[in-house]
Amino acid sequence: NAGVTQTPKFQVLKTGQSMTLQCAQDMNHNSMYWYRQDPGMGLRLIYYSASEGTTDKGEVPNGYNVSRLNKREFSLRLESAAPSQTSVYFCASSRQTTTGGWLETQYFGPGTRLLVL
Amino acid sequence: AQSVTQLDSQVPVFEEAPVELRCNYSSSVSVYLFWYVQYPNQGLQLLLKYLSGSTLVESINGFEAEFNKSQTSFHLRKPSVHISDTAEYFCAVSPGTASKLTFGTGTRLQVTL
Repeated sequence: NAGVTQTPKFQVLKTGQSMTLQCAQDMNHNSMYWYRQDPGMGLRLIYYSASEGTTDKGEVPNGYNVSRLNKREFSLRLESAAPSQTSVYFCASSRQTTTGGWLETQYFGPGTRLLVL
Repeated sequence: AQSVTQLDSQVPVFEEAPVELRCNYSSSVSVYLFWYVQYPNQGLQLLLKYLSGSTLVESINGFEAEFNKSQTSFHLRKPSVHISDTAEYFCAVSPGTASKLTFGTGTRLQVTL
C-alpha cells in the first residue's frame, strides 16, 4: 500500500504558466482533499471531493480548479500561476467525510513544493 | 465558524524533559479535536483525536491530550520527549456535523541533547 501519492515533488513555474498537481490514493477512500501550507498559517483547505463525481470549495479556492478523475485520483490545476500561489500543497484522503456524525481520519500525501517566480 | 490558536510557534526542549504544546479553540457548536504531527519533508500524520467520551486521549508513542471544554483547550503533553519527537505539531478542530478541518498555525518542537 502506497497510501496517498503526489506528483511532482517539486516544481518551479513562471508567473502565468499553468500546471496540474496529481494525487492518487490506493486505500479505496471516497473523500479527497487539497490543502496548501504556508509559513505561519497552518494548512488551509482549497477544495475537497466528498465522493466520486462531486467537488466543493474550501477556504481558499480562488485561482484553482480541481477534477475528481475517478475514485483514486484528484487533481489540482493552476490555470495561471501567481507568486501568491508559492506554497506546499498537500493532498489527503479519508474513507468518507463523516460516519455517524464523526469526522473520518484524513491521510496525507508527502506534499508538492511549488515556487512561482 | 471555528478557529484554532497555537500560541507557541516554537518550543525548544531537552531530551527526556516534559513538554506541553498548547492549543485553544473557539466554536459555537460542539467539536471534534485532533493533533497531527509533521516530520521533516513529510505529510501530516494523525497523532490522536478526541471525538467523545473520556476527555483524556493517548497516542501510541506516549503523547496525551486532554479536552477541557470550560477552557476550550486541547493541550498536548508528553512526560519525557525523545530526539525523534522533533517535528511540527498541528492542532485541528472540526464541527461535529461537518467534514472540514480547521488547522492551527503549528508548533515546531525541537528536542536537543
